[in-house]
Order: sequence, then C-alpha cells, then structure tokens
Amino acid sequence: DIQMTQSPSTLSASVGDRVTITCRASQSISSWLAWYQQKPGKAPKLLIYKASSLESGVPSRFSGSGSGTEFTLTISSLQPDDFATYYCQQYNSYFTFGPGTKVDIK
Amino acid sequence: QITLKESGPTLVKPTQTLTLTCTFSGFSLSTSGVGVGWIRQPPGKALEWLALIYWNDDKRYSPSLKSRLTITKDTSKNQVVLTMTNMDPVDTATYYCAHRRNPTGGFDYWGQGTLVTVSS
Repeated sequence: DIQMTQSPSTLSASVGDRVTITCRASQSISSWLAWYQQKPGKAPKLLIYKASSLESGVPSRFSGSGSGTEFTLTISSLQPDDFATYYCQQYNSYFTFGPGTKVDIK
Repeated sequence: QITLKESGPTLVKPTQTLTLTCTFSGFSLSTSGVGVGWIRQPPGKALEWLALIYWNDDKRYSPSLKSRLTITKDTSKNQVVLTMTNMDPVDTATYYCAHRRNPTGGFDYWGQGTLVTVSS
C-alpha cells in the first residue's frame, strides 16, 4: 500500500501570507496526486489534480508542484476563505489520502 | 450541473450490514471514463477511500476493507450502491459518494455526506 504523509499537521498563518504544504508518498506515484480543501461540516473540494493542474473555478492563488514522491501545495496570498484543512490524495495505485493539514488564523 | 446525494440508515448495530445509496444527476455512469467512488471520514479524522466503480462496471476496493465491501451501479436509476458487512463502532463516520470524470483526475464532485453511527 502507498502511504501519504503531510507536513505540517497544523499551520498558523495570516491573511496575505504565502503558505506551502508538503505531501510525501511512500513510493513513486509519478504525478498522480490531487489536493482537496475541506471546511468543517462540508465535503472536500478538489483544488489540484495531476499534481499541478488547477481545477476549473479554483482561484489562481492555488498551485501545485512535484512528482515522484514529494509534492507541494502553495497558496500565494492567503485569503479569509482559505482557512480550512487540506488533504493530498494519491491515485497511482488505488487511492490514499494524507492525514491533512489544518490552516488556521495566526 | 452535477449533483450527488447519499442516503441510508443513520444508525446501525454492530455486526449488521450497511447499505448506502448514492443518487446522482447531471452525468451518466455509462459515459466512458466516468467513475463514482465512496469515501468516509470518522469524526475529527482524515478521509479514507473505500470503493470505486467505473462506467464499464470495473470495480476497485480498498485492500484493507475489500472483504467487507460491495459496490454496484444501476445506470438506469442513476444510482450507485455500497454495502459494508459486519459493521463495527470504528466504522462510525460520514460517508461520501463522489464523481470522477476520468482516470487522470481526482474526485471533482462530492455529495454532502451522510453520518452513519454504529452502536448497539
């Protein structure tokens, strides 16, 4: 099974900050990685797929990069609506989600 | 406009079988490449993928839960059904169904989720 880890588990930031979340896979997953945003009581929302492709309708301040085993999600300028939990998900072999990174207000 | 909605019992007893139905609109599960999956989330915990069924009836299951899961589709009713046997309190979670438009992407549309509690 492919295991996913994320760091940090919690991130405190302010509006306007540049935020980076890292996701690592236990083995190479090529670029088969997605990022989701989830707010309390809501379903996840797809942000990025194939490591760096922005889902339609997602603001351009979100970007993804990486391949193989190390990936990043970057929010270029954090907005009030961005305080949420972020999950990575590999789909190279079945599907595995990371443990999540909570972005809260500093 | 794609929508999905989960339905099923909110409370099940240990050892019982859970049956959840995902009713969707705005797409056809006979369209090449399309899939519908099930994902769950225990309270306060991370997401866990359970199963996925494709337009061609190809099915994938989480290796750790494979023996307990069955996923089926009824294309004419626009429904996907997940059954999970031998329910345990650790299976208490919000269960989501989600659309996948092709095998190169993630789950792009999700239902609102349904909370299932396992308790005697």
